[in-house]
Amino acid sequence: AQSVTQLGSHVSVSEGALVLLRCNYSSSVPPYLFWYVQYPNQGLQLLLKYTSAATLVKGINGFEAEFKKSETSFHLTKPSAHMSDAAEYFCAVRMANQAGTALIFGKGTTLSVSS
Amino acid sequence: EAGVAQSPRYKIIEKRQSVAFWCNPISGHATLYWYQQILGQGPKLLIQFQNNGVVDDSQLPKDRFSAERLKGVDSTLKIQPAKLEDSAVYLCASSFLQGATYEQYFGPGTRLTVT
Repeated sequence: AQSVTQLGSHVSVSEGALVLLRCNYSSSVPPYLFWYVQYPNQGLQLLLKYTSAATLVKGINGFEAEFKKSETSFHLTKPSAHMSDAAEYFCAVRMANQAGTALIFGKGTTLSVSS
Repeated sequence: EAGVAQSPRYKIIEKRQSVAFWCNPISGHATLYWYQQILGQGPKLLIQFQNNGVVDDSQLPKDRFSAERLKGVDSTLKIQPAKLEDSAVYLCASSFLQGATYEQYFGPGTRLTVT
């Protein structure tokens, strides 16, 4: 069965500091992994995705994530936080259903950025 | 390119009443998803359509929820009768082709409050 665990429901950083949001997954099929961001009262926007190509994936807004099979992890990082990064972040893994395209999401991590 | 459209954005109803949500996916997107996002949790798939056919409705509470996608374009999700625990944001998403590497585009969601 597929599942996603996001460690830490809230992460607080100072502007300019490193951002690290943790995600561990479980999957019975080769995993396709995603990070989405959600701003208040908006839908989800894709930050980046891993689909069995390069293990280090670069996304939008300076974010990147590294797929580590041995650790079943897909942590999201950004070298320098900006105030505009404050949002809810969701890690997701593809569902191994018939269609194989729907997503299973983690519970989310709220990122706060202080000046 | 226009995004995924959803209406209404907000809805307040009393328990045991019925409600319907509408979604218009991005033009040309064959796959449409409805997710339920309860406060403090990640989105959970309710139903997935490929064109006008259902490919996964295993997590849809069929005693009260129904969905249709006539003509393979826009879709309606209905709840009848609503319960307090149905209070959530209902997200619609679409993707171009079936396949886990294809990005899902999310609408802004409909926030339902059941009193």
